[in-house]
Amino acid sequence: GAGVSQSPSNKVTEKGKDVELRCDPISGHTALYWYRQSLGQGLEFLIYFQGNSAPDKSGLPSDRFSAERTGGSVSTLTIQRTQQEDSAVYLCASSLLAGGINEQFFGPGTRLTVL
Amino acid sequence: GNSVTQMEGPVTLSEEAFLTINCTYTATGYPSLFWYVQYPGEGLQLLLKATKADDKGSNKGFEATYRKETTSFHLEKGSVQVSDSAVYFCALSEEWGGSNYKLTFGKGTLLTVNP
Repeated sequence: GAGVSQSPSNKVTEKGKDVELRCDPISGHTALYWYRQSLGQGLEFLIYFQGNSAPDKSGLPSDRFSAERTGGSVSTLTIQRTQQEDSAVYLCASSLLAGGINEQFFGPGTRLTVL
Repeated sequence: GNSVTQMEGPVTLSEEAFLTINCTYTATGYPSLFWYVQYPGEGLQLLLKATKADDKGSNKGFEATYRKETTSFHLEKGSVQVSDSAVYFCALSEEWGGSNYKLTFGKGTLLTVNP
């Protein structure tokens, strides 16, 4: 079956511009996560959506970052007024949250380069 | 807070050598533990998992045992292959906020296996 998909796969932008990154989770998965992978910081949690509950935004690095999930499926991560330190690979994951086992399935990522 | 510390590497081995990548964790509760692998040019994939103390996760010849007394989850393989060359991430998942299962990752270990 289809896995987690993300678009675009690569994005190059100029400092100060806004960008939107998209994630399509596995059908039926109720939980969706965004992570950021950068050379200096490794893999960092950004935000988590679970069903209709309020998202956990505790990992967002600044108020320039926001995310939404429409209809419990597709999610968009928006970065406003991008800075060079935002350059990283942004990963999306989804999971069923069956029982106590949190097996997350990851998308291929969006590589963001801020010039 | 939760944290994961893993052997940083890089690790370079010859084919058929024995592999150990050390991983220790700090968590306030009873986490589930995971090893994820990222092959060159590909996304993160779950390699194996363990959900409680003394559980052994295994897959593709890799094994890791959940050791609560030493808070460790070391990855081992008896005979590595060139195709095992990848970055390996140790991670934990712990419930907090009632139903939140974000992953906390180690920094990753780059493994290169030479023929």
